[in-house]
Amino acid sequence: SQQGEEDPQALSIQEGENATMNCSYKTSINNLQWYRQNSGRGLVHLILIRSNEREKHSGRLRVTLDTSKKSSSLLITASRAADTASYFCATAGSARQLTFGSGTQLTVLP
Amino acid sequence: SQTIHQWPATLVQPVGSPLSLECTVEGTSNPNLYWYRQAAGRGLQLLFYSVGIGQISSEVPQNLSASRPQDRQFILSSKKLLLSDSGFYLCAWKVAGRISGNTIYFGEGSWLTVV
Repeated sequence: SQQGEEDPQALSIQEGENATMNCSYKTSINNLQWYRQNSGRGLVHLILIRSNEREKHSGRLRVTLDTSKKSSSLLITASRAADTASYFCATAGSARQLTFGSGTQLTVLP
Repeated sequence: SQTIHQWPATLVQPVGSPLSLECTVEGTSNPNLYWYRQAAGRGLQLLFYSVGIGQISSEVPQNLSASRPQDRQFILSSKKLLLSDSGFYLCAWKVAGRISGNTIYFGEGSWLTVV
C-alpha cells in the first residue's frame, strides 16, 4: 500500500515563484526522501531527510519534516521552467524498500 | 560509478503473449533490486524486490513474476499478458542493508502497452 500522499496533486506557477508540495504519511519512518520524475523517465533522487532532522537544504530545495504530524514539505525556490516534473515523496520504514506517494505534478510557466 | 540499464524501453505486445523485461546493475555488488509499476499519472507500486540471487519477494498478487539469475540481473516476466498489465515499469536498486542512506536509483523505465 502507498503510505506517502502528496498534496496538491497538481500545481501550476509562474517562473520565479516558489513551489511548495506537501507529503503526509501514516506509520513511523526512518527517513523520508523526495524524488523527481520528468515525463516518461525514471525517478531521480533529490534529497533525504532523516527522522531526527527537521529541515534540510540542497541548492534551491528546502525540505522540512514534522514527525509529530507525520508530514513533510518540499519547497523549490525561484522556480524555473526546467523544474516542471512530477515530485514524489517516499518513506522508508525498513532497510529493504521505499513506499512512494502518488506525486505532485508541477508545471512552471515561462 | 554505478549504473542501471533497463530494456526494452518501449514495447507493444498482444494480449496473451509472453513478456520479459531485463534490468542489470553495474558497479556494485549484492544490491537490493526492485521492480515498480506506474500507471499513467499515478504513483509507484512495488511489484517485487530481491535481496539476493534467487530471492524474490512479491508485494502484490498479479500476473507477473520476477527472477534474479545473477547478482546484478533482475528479470520481470509474464507467461500471458493481460490488458491490465499495461504501464510504465521501473527497475531500481539500492545498497543492501542501509536504513539511514537507502536511496533508490532508478532505471529509465519500460513502457508496456498490451493490445
